[in-house]
Parts: sequence; C-alpha cells; structure tokens
Amino acid sequence: GNSVTQMEGPVTLSEEAFLTINCTYTATGYPSLFWYVQYPGEGLQLLLKATKADDKGSNKGFEATYRKETTSFHLEKGSVQVSDSAVYFCALSGTGGSYIPTFGRGTSLIVHP
Amino acid sequence: NAGVTQTPKFQVLKTGQSMTLQCAQDMNHEYMSWYRQDPGMGLRLIHYSVGAGITDQGEVPNGYNVSRSTTEDFPLRLLSAAPSQTSVYFCASSQRLAGVDEQYFGPGTRLTVT
Repeated sequence: GNSVTQMEGPVTLSEEAFLTINCTYTATGYPSLFWYVQYPGEGLQLLLKATKADDKGSNKGFEATYRKETTSFHLEKGSVQVSDSAVYFCALSGTGGSYIPTFGRGTSLIVHP
Repeated sequence: NAGVTQTPKFQVLKTGQSMTLQCAQDMNHEYMSWYRQDPGMGLRLIHYSVGAGITDQGEVPNGYNVSRSTTEDFPLRLLSAAPSQTSVYFCASSQRLAGVDEQYFGPGTRLTVT
C-alpha cells in the first residue's frame, strides 16, 4: 500500500533560518504530492502541490520538488518567520483510482524570534 | 463560498452519551471524509463517502456511524461516547480535477468525553 514518511519533530529554528522538512513516499503508479499546513487551533489547508515528476510546487516562500528517482518531496523555505510556526503534513493521492489520500504524521515547526 | 463548515467547535460529553458532529460543504464535492487527530498519531481516517448514498469505513470506524443523504452534508454520529473518543475531529472534502484531488478541511470539533 501507499505510505508517507516525514521527519520527526519538533523542528526548532530561529527567525530567518533555512528550513528543510524531509518527506519520502511509497506508492503505486504516479501520485500527486501535497504539503498541508495546520496553524494552531485550525484545520489543515493546502500549502503547495506537484502533480508529476520534476514539478516544483511553491507558495508563500515555501517550495518542494517532486523527485521520482528518490521518491521524495522535501519542503524548503529560505528564511522562516515566527508566523510559519505550525504543523506541516506531507501527503499523496491519486493512485489506483482511490480518492483516499495518504498523510504523513506531521512535523511541528517552532520558530523563535 | 463558506468551504467546509463544522459544528460544534467544542463539545463535552459524559461517557455513554450520544451526539452528532455536523459537517457541510458548499463546493459540490463528491468525496467527503472524517478524521480524528490525536497527539503523536497524525490523522486517522474514520469514515468516508464517494457520493450521496455511498459510505465506507476507514482505519478507525468502531464507535462511529455516518450517512450521506445529500452531496452537501456528512454527519458523524457517536453512538455511546467513551473517553477514548476524546480527540479533535476534522471533516474534509475533495473533488478530482484533472486527476488531482486536493483536500479542503473544516476547522475541527474538539470533543472531550469524561
């Protein structure tokens, strides 16, 4: 079956530091890949997505590239802000005709001023 | 568009009580689902529906019932609440467009069972 593995958190950074959150996946076929963000007390919302190999998704300064050869979709940001403190979920969907997405366990990011 | 709405935001139940968590979406999405989120456990799928009149079980369905009589609504019923059902519950919806189905989540219901 499908699976998504994310690095364990929490990740603690100072403001303006570089961020990487690793995500690797196992899937049959050619899934779409997503990063969702959950701010404290809220539901998840889509941060960015990529639908085929070598696509780069980007939004709000965050980027992730769909790497089929390494089955990875690592999230990066060049300079984090305190307001980026949240939980980040990597996910995949769209394989085998199923609507059911597969989520990673989430990585908590804490940014200090 | 209101997106996905959930009510109530907070609820406290006594063991053995029943209740219904409401979820509605106004985007005409076919697929709807319920998750629970517990510390260190990520999101766990409870039930899902691929259209009106069609529901199926997810990873942790025991103690919960669902029905889907309309495209818009997907209520989750707790039949006899237990402390193990203390959690944050999220409803989500999606529609597959060009082979891509991004999820839209509601704000969550925080449930405590005493």
